[in-house]
Amino acid sequence: KAGVTQTPRYLIKTRGQQVTLSCSPISGHRSVSWYQQTPGQGLQFLFEYFSETQRNKGNFPGRFSGRQFSNSRSEMNVSTLELGDSALYLCASSLNFAGTASYEQYFGPGTRLTVT
Amino acid sequence: AQKITQTQPGMFVQEKEAVTLDCTYDTSDPSYGLFWYKQPSSGEMIFLIYQGSYDQQNATEGRYSLNFQKARKSANLVISASQLGDSAMYFCAMRGAQGGSYIPTFGRGTSLIVHP
Repeated sequence: KAGVTQTPRYLIKTRGQQVTLSCSPISGHRSVSWYQQTPGQGLQFLFEYFSETQRNKGNFPGRFSGRQFSNSRSEMNVSTLELGDSALYLCASSLNFAGTASYEQYFGPGTRLTVT
Repeated sequence: AQKITQTQPGMFVQEKEAVTLDCTYDTSDPSYGLFWYKQPSSGEMIFLIYQGSYDQQNATEGRYSLNFQKARKSANLVISASQLGDSAMYFCAMRGAQGGSYIPTFGRGTSLIVHP
């Protein structure tokens, strides 16, 4: 069974540009979550999508947005990039959304975004 | 608000010995889940073990066990018979309801190095 895939793996952008990251979940998984990992802030939750609907959202500005398609693939978009957006962006999939506390997530390898 | 504290930035252990990684948490939600993840240098987060707040027994998964002490709000990870491949960052996380949303919170991580 193929794992979670993320594209691209590495990306370099200039401040002010926008970027779109893609995540393909494990086959059959309907929930996709996005996380940002930085040395300063650690791992922070961005948002979660289930059946094309955003179910949960972390505390990030509106420049960070996402969507999910009918095949459960998800994209995350960051507009007007700032230097502080440089991070490893991780995507995780699961069978169900986090309506209860107990569910297992499988992470992808991440996209390393560098903003210059 | 939820909070996860991992007080050990780095730990060293001899191969084949057991090691305990500390994690304390804080939440006002009576229903929550506690998770441990491993992140090797490759960057991919790997799910290790889950403990629900209402689970009576400590969770175990192979060489991993979670020492859950609810009254003390601690959820320490015990790795028995350490292997060289266990060298990685380890993150403790929790997910509980915050204002109707299920937002995961991660600790800052513990770097484990296993010596031969």
